[in-house]
Amino acid sequence: GENVEQHPSTLSVQEGDSAVIKCTYSDSASNYFPWYKQELGKGPQLIIDIRSNVGEKKDQRIAVTLNKTAKHFSLHITETQPEDSAVYFCAAFDRDDMRFGAGTRLTVKP
Amino acid sequence: KAGVTQTPRYLIKTRGQQVTLSCSPISGHRSVSWYQQTPGQGLQFLFEYFSETQRNKGNFPGRFSGRQFSNSRSEMNVSTLELGDSALYLCASSLAGGRAPNEQFFGPGTRLTVL
Repeated sequence: GENVEQHPSTLSVQEGDSAVIKCTYSDSASNYFPWYKQELGKGPQLIIDIRSNVGEKKDQRIAVTLNKTAKHFSLHITETQPEDSAVYFCAAFDRDDMRFGAGTRLTVKP
Repeated sequence: KAGVTQTPRYLIKTRGQQVTLSCSPISGHRSVSWYQQTPGQGLQFLFEYFSETQRNKGNFPGRFSGRQFSNSRSEMNVSTLELGDSALYLCASSLAGGRAPNEQFFGPGTRLTVL
């Protein structure tokens, strides 16, 4: 089955800086890669996703890149703000179910 | 559109008891997936229901079961509770799910504590 690894586990940045979170996956059949943001006491919220036929996708300050050959994908957040502080999860969908990374706790210091 | 709702939000049970959790998906969504979230194991897939049928199942014991009704609402049942079942149980709805992945939208979760 699919195995998703996520790094780093914690990330602290200064407000206005960029943040990058990286994930690798093992199953070459995986074809859908969403990113979720989870705030304290809430369920994960889908913030951006990418499919295997696309290399990059951007939505305002958030972008995701996918390298199918290397089996890794990354989340980029530019101009970070304190409200970006949360736990971020990557995931990969392989035929039958979604496998999640262990999460990255992002702290944006004002 | 209303989001995914889960009831109850918090639950305390003792070992050996059973529990039923409920999830109402976004209107028009036919797929409901259940996940268990713990600090040690992270987010783990339990099962997915689509059109009242279980389509996929994760690697959990048979004590974990579920069902889906004709209105797409889903319930998850855990029998003979163990301390290790303490977790946040999340459900996620999507339009189709299964082998044609669509965006999944999560509910707020049910926090289950087993004493």
